[in-house]
Amino acid sequence: EDQVTQSPEALRLQEGESSSLNCSYTVSGLRGLFWYRQDPGKGPEFLFTLYSAGEEKEKERLKATLTKKESFLHITAPKPEDSATYLCAVQAGDSSYKLIFGSGTRLLVRP
Amino acid sequence: DTGVSQDPRHKITKRGQNVTFRCDPISEHNRLYWYRQTLGQGPEFLTYFQNEAQLEKSRLLSDRFSAERPKGSFSTLEIQRTEQGDSAMYLCATRGGIEREQFFGPGTRLTVL
Repeated sequence: EDQVTQSPEALRLQEGESSSLNCSYTVSGLRGLFWYRQDPGKGPEFLFTLYSAGEEKEKERLKATLTKKESFLHITAPKPEDSATYLCAVQAGDSSYKLIFGSGTRLLVRP
Repeated sequence: DTGVSQDPRHKITKRGQNVTFRCDPISEHNRLYWYRQTLGQGPEFLTYFQNEAQLEKSRLLSDRFSAERPKGSFSTLEIQRTEQGDSAMYLCATRGGIEREQFFGPGTRLTVL
């Protein structure tokens, strides 16, 4: 069964304190791995797509990497406005291209 | 703003009532998805449309749930005889023909009393 597990569930950082979020997955025929950011009461906001092991993508203070079993979202020198829930999802090999999400990591960055 | 809109944003109803939600996708996106998200969890897939055809339904979608996408444009999700366990955020997402990422609307928060 396709499955996505994210850790930690919650993370508190001081402003400027870099860290990484983990997403481990088991899926048959990975089509893509996606990172989304979600603010309270809002829909997920697309961040990155990764397609193959070794691929990296960057956007401002965020960098996503992918291996054959997991993905990391590295946050460098975070700011309070980076506080949100970060969701990881995989797209399996079926025809619908539906996303299978993890439970997310709730990030709080304190000033 | 992703260009995907949902209406209403919030709905409070009493147990046993019927509710209907609407999703307006990005105009050129022919693939549309409904997800449900409960507190502290990631979104869970409910159903998928390509144009007007409903091609996949999750086992989460009980007989009380029905979704339509007439003419391949907007979509509606109806829940009949609501139960307290239906309380959740209902999210709509759309995808174009080439790119694989899905773009989500703001969601409809349903509370069943």
